[in-house]
Amino acid sequence: GQNIDQPTEMTATEGAIVQINCTYQTSGFNGLFWYQQHAGEAPTFLSYNVLDGLEEKGRFSSFLSRSKGYSYLLLKELQMKDSASYLCAVRDGGSYIPTFGRGTSLIVHP
Amino acid sequence: GAVVSQHPSRVICKSGTSVKIECRSLDFQATTMFWYRQFPKQSLMLMATSNEGSKATYEQGVEKDKFLINHASLTLSTLTVTSAHPEDSSFYICSAHSAEKLFFGSGTQLSVL
Repeated sequence: GQNIDQPTEMTATEGAIVQINCTYQTSGFNGLFWYQQHAGEAPTFLSYNVLDGLEEKGRFSSFLSRSKGYSYLLLKELQMKDSASYLCAVRDGGSYIPTFGRGTSLIVHP
Repeated sequence: GAVVSQHPSRVICKSGTSVKIECRSLDFQATTMFWYRQFPKQSLMLMATSNEGSKATYEQGVEKDKFLINHASLTLSTLTVTSAHPEDSSFYICSAHSAEKLFFGSGTQLSVL
């Protein structure tokens, strides 16, 4: 089984930087995903990490440390539209289906 | 990225009726699709894996006779919630794999009165 932990809620100011952490425990590891989900909508893909290190994609970056069972999603130059739930999902060694964390609700205020 | 289309986006039905939800992969073939359920402020919970041309694989605790899945072609999977009850009210989302990534349909909000 898997245990994925991420904060329930975070708040940040428009224009700032926020880091959303995710820790996990899995039997084997085969990739970690970050998704963004606005209320009432389906998740949209943000990033995929399978090797250690930082993956940068525009305002969003994702970091992975497999030895620590740890990842973070970094959002820069926050915009009001970034207010959403951010889901960390991990795929263990025995499956190609990721298991989702509860999600972190990010509230961006002016 | 790949496009997954889901229909309808919202359904309101009476208790005891059945509801069918369709999931289509528009620009790729998906031999496997996944059905998730999400309650408010909760995580996505995998219900079942839909396999083209064969029986679906259900997760523990999901009733296969209540949640009927059909995957008759490489681009279409359907989920039928039979004899729906208010406790089945939830957000249902389908997804499919393409190039290591999971792409989601737009979701169906089911409300059973």
